Amino acid sequence: NAGVTQTPKFQVLKTGQSMTLQCAQDMNHEYMSWYRQDPGMGLRLIHYSVGAGITDQGEVPNGYNVSRSTTEDFPLRLLSAAPSQTSVYFCASSPTGGSYNEQFFGPGTRLTVL
Amino acid sequence: GQSLEQPSEVTAVEGAIVQINCTYQTSGFYGLSWYQQHDGGAPTFLSYNALDGLEETGRFSSFLSRSDSYGYLLLQELQMKDSASYFCAVRASNYQLIWGAGTKLIIKP
Repeated sequence: NAGVTQTPKFQVLKTGQSMTLQCAQDMNHEYMSWYRQDPGMGLRLIHYSVGAGITDQGEVPNGYNVSRSTTEDFPLRLLSAAPSQTSVYFCASSPTGGSYNEQFFGPGTRLTVL
Repeated sequence: GQSLEQPSEVTAVEGAIVQINCTYQTSGFYGLSWYQQHDGGAPTFLSYNALDGLEETGRFSSFLSRSDSYGYLLLQELQMKDSASYFCAVRASNYQLIWGAGTKLIIKP
């Protein structure tokens, strides 16, 4: 199993550009989520999904969109990049049945917005 | 608001024992998780406490007191590879984790 994969690993954008961060998992997990991590801070939840076709907002959803058309994929779209979105983005997944406790993380995408 | 407090940095000696504390104030509480993150890496799950008491997994133990809104992670027989940041996270609802800012553990030989 590859686990949780994310692409790209690094990305530089100009203010106003849009892009999609890709996330995929091969563990058949129902729950998937996107976090951002800023220096010296913990992770903050952007959006999450409890299954294909179901998404919801987390703590910091503004400026981001998600969709979940399949169990495996959960892309994160930046609509119009801003310098405040410079961060490390992690995608995570976990099984359901109330077992949201152990989340499996991808390697992260390091995004810089100029 | 919702907040988790943990020390920003802890220093210990190789072979020793270290405790990392976490206090929380959240609107809901289902349990307390601990994650480890090495520099440049992704968080990895260490433990989860839903009920009061001590959970032991090898060299790592985690404790929870729900009445005190407090938990800690105990690392024994410290090894240099344990140098990392450690995060506590509260499962505040069925689907959301609220994270602390992390504790950087520095281990000296």
